[in-house]
Amino acid sequence: GIQVEQSPPDLILQEGANSTLRCNFSDSVNNLQWFHQNPWGQLINLFYIPSGTKQNGRLSATTVATERYSLLYISSSQTTDSGVYFCAVEGDAGTYKYIFGTGTRLKVLA
Amino acid sequence: SAVISQKPSRDICQRGTSLTIQCQVDSQVTMMFWYRQQPGQSLTLIATANQGSEATYESGFVIDKFPISRPNLTFSTLTVSNMSPEDSSIYLCSVLGGSGANVLTFGAGSRLTVL
Repeated sequence: GIQVEQSPPDLILQEGANSTLRCNFSDSVNNLQWFHQNPWGQLINLFYIPSGTKQNGRLSATTVATERYSLLYISSSQTTDSGVYFCAVEGDAGTYKYIFGTGTRLKVLA
Repeated sequence: SAVISQKPSRDICQRGTSLTIQCQVDSQVTMMFWYRQQPGQSLTLIATANQGSEATYESGFVIDKFPISRPNLTFSTLTVSNMSPEDSSIYLCSVLGGSGANVLTFGAGSRLTVL
């Protein structure tokens, strides 16, 4: 089955810093999402981005499907950005069964 | 986007007992899934809940341990049967069709601790 690896596994930032999170996947995908899991466990959808670039405020994401990776950019980080970031890709085309990556645990210090 | 309510939000259970988790969606959805998140780990798909028929289970998950019902397009239950401490996890209901047709949206999860 498809493998989804994220890097770095852990990241500590000072408030105001920028960061880039990476998601590599082992096969071509039709669907890809980025999620933020807050410290209370709630999963929030950040981007649906099977290809191309999207921006939402301080966050942006880019997926290069032909090279099998996606990047999530966080600018001017805030303490509320802390939590775990997951990318998820559709395992088998047309099933909508999303396979989750290994996650990046982010802590932003005040 | 769809709003998903899960009950219970958390529970502490005794070994050998079973617990049923409910998932209610505020609109009709075609596809509904159950995921498990073990402590400190990523999410793993348990099964696809099929309306009016048996759920489709992923490798490593069986119906006897995780029976699932889906009587209509807005409601599903997951039962964790004969629990052991290894079943201590967050169980999450998700549906397809958040702010887009292929967007996966999650409920708040049910955090189970088995003693």
